[in-house]
Amino acid sequence: NAGVTQTPKFRVLKTGQSMTLLCAQDMNHEYMYWYRQDPGMGLRLIHYSVGEGTTAKGEVPDGYNVSRLKKQNFLLGLESAAPSQTSVYFCASSSAPGGEGDGFDEQYFGPGTRLTVT
Amino acid sequence: GQNIDQPTEMTATEGAIVQINCTYQTSGFNGLFWYQQHAGEAPTFLSYNVLDGLEEKGRFSSFLSRSKGYSYLLLKELQMKDSASYLCAVMDSNYQLIWGAGTKLIIKP
Repeated sequence: NAGVTQTPKFRVLKTGQSMTLLCAQDMNHEYMYWYRQDPGMGLRLIHYSVGEGTTAKGEVPDGYNVSRLKKQNFLLGLESAAPSQTSVYFCASSSAPGGEGDGFDEQYFGPGTRLTVT
Repeated sequence: GQNIDQPTEMTATEGAIVQINCTYQTSGFNGLFWYQQHAGEAPTFLSYNVLDGLEEKGRFSSFLSRSKGYSYLLLKELQMKDSASYLCAVMDSNYQLIWGAGTKLIIKP
């Protein structure tokens, strides 16, 4: 089991360029998330998905788009990168929260993508 | 608004005990999580509390008081490998995690 993987690990973009970050999970999780992590701040949710073909906005969705065409993959796109999008991006996945059993399902995180926009 | 507060940084000595506090104000409550994050790595799950009281897991324990909006993570017999950031997160009424900024724990020999 690879768990949650992310590509690329590092990327430098110029302002205005576009890119796609890929997240893949092999745990058959329904829920997937994209977060950004900036110094001195907590993880902030960008977009999330509650199942294949669904997406929803999180706390900071502006400037990003997502797609979940397959259950195991969740893509994050930046159409026109800005310096304010310099950050570390984490993908995570989980079973449906608040479900049966223990009543919770932890989120499993990928290794992160360090993005710099100049 | 929703808010999670935890100290920015703490220092402790190898072999000692340290308590990291977390206070929260959120829209609803569906549990509180603690994650560990080593520098340059992904967060990893440590503990979950949804009912008041203490949950013990080896050297780590986590406590919750819902009436006070308060939790702590207790680390015993500190080891150098415990040097990391510890993230407190609350699951709100929409089942989304609201994250604190994290507490950087420095262990000195």
